[in-house]
Amino acid sequence: QKEVEQDPGPLSVPEGAIVSLNCTYSNSAFQYFMWYRQYSRKGPELLMYTYSSGNKEDGRFTAQVDKSSKYISLFIRDSQPSDSATYLCAMSAAPGGNNRKLIWGLGTSLAVNP
Amino acid sequence: KAGVTQTPRYLIKTRGQQVTLSCSPISGHRSVSWYQQTPGQGLQFLFEYFSETQRNKGNFPGRFSGRQFSNSRSEMNVSTLELGDSALYLCASSLSEGAETQYFGPGTRLLVL
Repeated sequence: QKEVEQDPGPLSVPEGAIVSLNCTYSNSAFQYFMWYRQYSRKGPELLMYTYSSGNKEDGRFTAQVDKSSKYISLFIRDSQPSDSATYLCAMSAAPGGNNRKLIWGLGTSLAVNP
Repeated sequence: KAGVTQTPRYLIKTRGQQVTLSCSPISGHRSVSWYQQTPGQGLQFLFEYFSETQRNKGNFPGRFSGRQFSNSRSEMNVSTLELGDSALYLCASSLSEGAETQYFGPGTRLLVL
C-alpha cells in the first residue's frame, strides 16, 4: 500500500461545477499538505499549502485537511475549462522545503467541459 | 522574470547509453531539485543542490548523479540507461535551501529504447 493514495480519474465535469479532489494517507506524522496543478507538457505548480488540520481558501480553491481521517481535499468552485489539468497532492512530516521527505500522490486528471 | 528552463525537452536514447540533462533556475534562485515522474510511481525525488553542494538525495542508484555550477545552473546525468529510466525528469528551483515554494520547469521527457 502506498503512503499516499489518489484516485487517478479521469474526472470529467461541466463548466461551473464544484469539483472535489481527494487524497488519503497512512502516515499519521504528516503535517504539511500541498496541492499542485500540472498542465499537459508543463511542470507542477503549487496551488495550496496547509499545515495541520483545517481549511484554507484562495479564490475559487479551498483546501481541507482532516487529520483524524487521514484525508485531504481540494475543492474548486465554479470550475472553468482552464482548470483542466492533473492535480497532485503532496505531503510531509517535515517542514516544507525538505523535498526528500515530500511524498506525492499519483495525480487526478480533471477535464472541465465547456 | 523567466521561469525554470530545461534542455533538451525531448530525448531518445538506447539502453546502455548515458544522458545529461540541463536545468537553469529562476534568476536569483540558488536551490535546484531534480525529480523523476512516471505514471506508475508518480514524482520521486532524486537530489537537491544548494551552493554547488548536494544537500539531499533520494533512493536512486548511483547511475543517477548531478552537479550544480557557481551560477546555480544544474545538470543531472544518468549512466548505463535502462528501459525503466524512461520518464519525465523535472527540475525545480527555489530561493534557498528548505524554501517552502519551489518552481518547476517543463521537464525533459526521456525515452529509452
